[in-house]
Amino acid sequence: RKEVEQDPGPFNVPEGATVAFNCTYSNSASQSFFWYRQDCRKEPKLLMSVYSSGNEDGRFTAQLNRASQYISLLIRDSKLSDSATYLCVVNIITGGTSYGKLTFGQGTILTVHP
Amino acid sequence: DGGITQSPKYLFRKEGQNVTLSCEQNLNHDAMYWYRQDPGQGLRLIYYSQIVNDFQKGDIAEGYSVSREKKESFPLTVTSAQKNPTAFYLCASSSGEPTDTQYFGPGTRLTVL
Repeated sequence: RKEVEQDPGPFNVPEGATVAFNCTYSNSASQSFFWYRQDCRKEPKLLMSVYSSGNEDGRFTAQLNRASQYISLLIRDSKLSDSATYLCVVNIITGGTSYGKLTFGQGTILTVHP
Repeated sequence: DGGITQSPKYLFRKEGQNVTLSCEQNLNHDAMYWYRQDPGQGLRLIYYSQIVNDFQKGDIAEGYSVSREKKESFPLTVTSAQKNPTAFYLCASSSGEPTDTQYFGPGTRLTVL
């Protein structure tokens, strides 16, 4: 089983639609959680951190369910510029060290069309 | 401007040659990382360094080497021992706090001819 699993998609949605991505992780020692966005042939960029209480940044809402080991990202009122790959990222503190290892999901492809 | 730079952007190599990819950051970050990304796959950790003059192997270190002589710099050498080196290589840095996120450079796309 992969440490971080995402539905690879692709998701094809019209402008203005609401779309949700899900991610599950297998290591209960995971400490922190992030969503990154990656445009084609570019580097990943931090979209938002994910907190247990849920957090919102404009049209984007992230949720974390530690009991179910599940993370979600909701995008409302989709824009053409939202088209990208969305990476679910989990930070696991390795035993006996202070190093947090980021583990990346394979990404979910989103295409927003006119 | 603060950030992470990688050079070159594109690199072509003949089989059997070693190549070195540059990564520099002026964010005053203690920790630096190298990842490899293959088409349709997530990022995989090659090496990381939490402090100057120290580095650790990641999940796929075979065929790669690194050095960390300065805080700002973390070059990666892809040796001829790496069997399938064609990939997108990404360097990242972070403050080094265990829960901190990482910030990425623009990447180097390596092609072996």
